[in-house]
Amino acid sequence: KAGVTQTPRYLIKTRGQQVTLSCSPISGHRSVSWYQQTPGQGLQFLFEYFSETQRNKGNFPGRFSGRQFSNSRSEMNVSTLELGDSALYLCASSSPLGKGDYGYTFGSGTRLTVV
Amino acid sequence: KNQVEQSPQSLIILEGKNCTLQCNYTVSPFSNLRWYKQDTGRGPVSLTIMTFSENTKSNGRYTATLDADTKQSSLHITASQLSDSASYICVVTFTSGTYKYIFGTGTRLKVLA
Repeated sequence: KAGVTQTPRYLIKTRGQQVTLSCSPISGHRSVSWYQQTPGQGLQFLFEYFSETQRNKGNFPGRFSGRQFSNSRSEMNVSTLELGDSALYLCASSSPLGKGDYGYTFGSGTRLTVV
Repeated sequence: KNQVEQSPQSLIILEGKNCTLQCNYTVSPFSNLRWYKQDTGRGPVSLTIMTFSENTKSNGRYTATLDADTKQSSLHITASQLSDSASYICVVTFTSGTYKYIFGTGTRLKVLA
């Protein structure tokens, strides 16, 4: 079965612009989580969506937002980009029923570079 | 405070050698522990998962151990290959209403020919 698909794979934006990243989870998975990973840093949790509702949120400024659609696909938006937003953004889907712990399946990520 | 600490931060070994990566955690209530492998610029891929009652789990040349009493886990890589060069991330799951995941910062392994 298809894995977690993230698009685009690479993105270059200018400071001050906004960007939207997309994530299609594994078929049947209803939970989608987003992480930011900067060079040399661990994964920093952004937010989790389940059934179109934000279920958990990390400690990121309001410039970072997300949403989930009825087909479980999710988008993440970053407004007013800053140089420090340059990172690998990872999406992970999990748990067919939103219950239990089936762990994460990660996508390959979107590499965002802000210049 | 729920934390996952990994050591060493980075490691360089020669091809064919064995190595062991460490993960200590202070997470409660503990549900399970996973090891992920992350190639540069890619998403992490799950290697093993262990619950409270399991103390060893193997996946090919990767063997993970868990001591739930001391809250320590290790990932042993046997006969390393160049393709083992990656970051290895320890993730502990705990329950707080829903399941939550605490990520370690990873160990960066470099295997040299």
